[in-house]
Amino acid sequence: GAVVSQHPSRVICKSGTSVKIECRSLDFQATTMFWYRQFPKQSLMLMATSNEGSKATYEQGVEKDKFLINHASLTLSTLTVTSAHPEDSSFYICSATPTGSVEQYFGPGTRLTVT
Amino acid sequence: SQKIEQNSEALNIQEGKTATLTCNYTNYSPAYLQWYRQDPGRGPVFLLLIRENEKEKRKERLKVTFDTTLKQSLFHITASQPADSATYLCALAEGGSTLGRLYFGRGTQLTVWP
Repeated sequence: GAVVSQHPSRVICKSGTSVKIECRSLDFQATTMFWYRQFPKQSLMLMATSNEGSKATYEQGVEKDKFLINHASLTLSTLTVTSAHPEDSSFYICSATPTGSVEQYFGPGTRLTVT
Repeated sequence: SQKIEQNSEALNIQEGKTATLTCNYTNYSPAYLQWYRQDPGRGPVFLLLIRENEKEKRKERLKVTFDTTLKQSLFHITASQPADSATYLCALAEGGSTLGRLYFGRGTQLTVWP
């Protein structure tokens, strides 16, 4: 139980294009999902908290117009990186907490490379 | 300032021994603490959660302790195996946090050699 999937696992895109990453909770409902990015040998950095049916809460320094988050249902959240630049290349990971629980489960991550 | 420090960046031990990883925090009031395993190129995998009012939690070969006086959590892997080699992350959530926001340490890379 408590499986979170992400799609795609890897994506390469050209500078200036947009990329959408999906995060799904497969066997539970999640009112709240989280989006992180991780640089090599660094810890996870929270980008934003996504709540079903409401606007996401972004961490300080994260551009909400660049990283669009949509939490359309209790099992799906999407992150769209708009007008991607090479510095956006990173490992993006989502997590979800089953409704009523505090344990946080992570997806397998998406490696984004912007050329 | 707030800090979460995990002992060393790397820990090397022999198979069969007990690995002990440390997580110290400063200027946090955690309601609970979670430990994760992360393999290269993969997302973290949840291992154990321990709450502020719990002293110890066990799951198979894993044991976690939580000392709010020392502001420290210890993570033990007994009878370690090469398959336990990975990076282990501690993360805490503060009391009163309404959204379960986790703060992560940088991790300890554990290598278990035969």
